[in-house]
Amino acid sequence: EDQVTQSPEALRLQEGESSSLNCSYTVSGLRGLFWYRQDPGKGPEFLFTLYSAGEEKEKERLKATLTKKESFLHITAPKPEDSATYLCAVQAGDGSEKLVFGKGTKLTVNP
Amino acid sequence: NAGVMQNPRHLVRRRGQEARLRCSPMKGHSHVYWYRQLPEEGLKFMVYLQKENIIDESGMPKERFSAEFPKEGPSILRIQQVVRGDSAAYFCASSPITGGTEAFFGQGTRLTVV
Repeated sequence: EDQVTQSPEALRLQEGESSSLNCSYTVSGLRGLFWYRQDPGKGPEFLFTLYSAGEEKEKERLKATLTKKESFLHITAPKPEDSATYLCAVQAGDGSEKLVFGKGTKLTVNP
Repeated sequence: NAGVMQNPRHLVRRRGQEARLRCSPMKGHSHVYWYRQLPEEGLKFMVYLQKENIIDESGMPKERFSAEFPKEGPSILRIQQVVRGDSAAYFCASSPITGGTEAFFGQGTRLTVV
């Protein structure tokens, strides 16, 4: 069964304090790994798709990386507006179109 | 270009009533997905539809739940005879094509069963 585990469940940072979020996955052939940001009461907002080990993508203060077993979301010099829950999801290579999500990491950045 | 539109945003139903949740995909998107998010749980896949076709309903409860995506109009997720355990946020997502492309989510419908 495809599975995604995110850690930590919650993370508190001071503004400017860089850190990383982890997403470990087991999947029958990875077609894509996705990162989303979700604010309270809102729908997930797409951030990145990674397709193969070694791939990296960046957007502003965020950088996502991928290995064969896990992905990291690196946050450099975060700001309070980066506070949100970050969701990781995988899509298997078995022809299924569904995304399997982790429970997310709730990030709080204090000013 | 409007995003994925879901309505209503909030829905309150009494036990035993029916709930109808609507989703209009982004312009140019022909693939629609429904997910459910229970408190303290991750998003769980329910069903994947294309116009007039249910492609994958492996995540749908066997009873009381149904989904459609007609040729004209929005996709509908219908829950008959709601129970308290159906209270959750229901999200719709759409994508232009299949195969590892990003899906864009709506703001969700928060269903409360009283």
